[in-house]
Amino acid sequence: EAGVAQSPRYKIIEKRQSVAFWCNPISGHATLYWYQQILGQGPKLLIQFQNNGVVDDSQLPKDRFSAERLKGVDSTLKIQPAKLEDSAVYLCASSFLAGVSYNEQFFGPGTRLTVL
Amino acid sequence: SQQGEEDPQALSIQEGENATMNCSYKTSINNLQWYRQNSGRGLVHLILIRSNEREKHSGRLRVTLDTSKKSSSLLITASRAADTASYFCATDNVDTGRRALTFGSGTRLQVQP
Repeated sequence: EAGVAQSPRYKIIEKRQSVAFWCNPISGHATLYWYQQILGQGPKLLIQFQNNGVVDDSQLPKDRFSAERLKGVDSTLKIQPAKLEDSAVYLCASSFLAGVSYNEQFFGPGTRLTVL
Repeated sequence: SQQGEEDPQALSIQEGENATMNCSYKTSINNLQWYRQNSGRGLVHLILIRSNEREKHSGRLRVTLDTSKKSSSLLITASRAADTASYFCATDNVDTGRRALTFGSGTRLQVQP
């Protein structure tokens, strides 16, 4: 089966500019996650969707980050305006079961963002 | 330390040797998972161990879990150069009911051929 797709793979922008990332999860997966991974650190959850509803966005900097999953399938994560500290890899993941933690998450290749 | 903190931060071994990395966490958990990340790529799920399990095997991987000490270990036996990667443990949080996973900062394993 096809894996989690993300685009673009790389993005370089200047601070205060806007950027958007796209994710298409594995078909049939109800839960979609966006993570931020800063160099040398583990992934940090930004937002979790179950179908098209938000389950957890407690760590999303809502003044500049937004995300949507309108039809419960693909998702977009936006940063506006970007700051230098937003330089990171943005990972999208999906899992089949909704509402439980004992299920495997499948990760996409990530988008590497550099903010200059 | 953070929830899901790995130790050591970096490990270098020769091919054929065993590699052991540890993870400590702070809260009550339903399960603990280990993931591998090759350089510049996404994470790959390796193994999940539930809170009522003490040991689990998968191929060359052996995971242990000690909920009384809030710690886990991942053993990779007969390592190969292809095992070179970063390894992360991830946990949920029963105390807060948060089902999303919290990842540690990882152990970077280098296997010398």
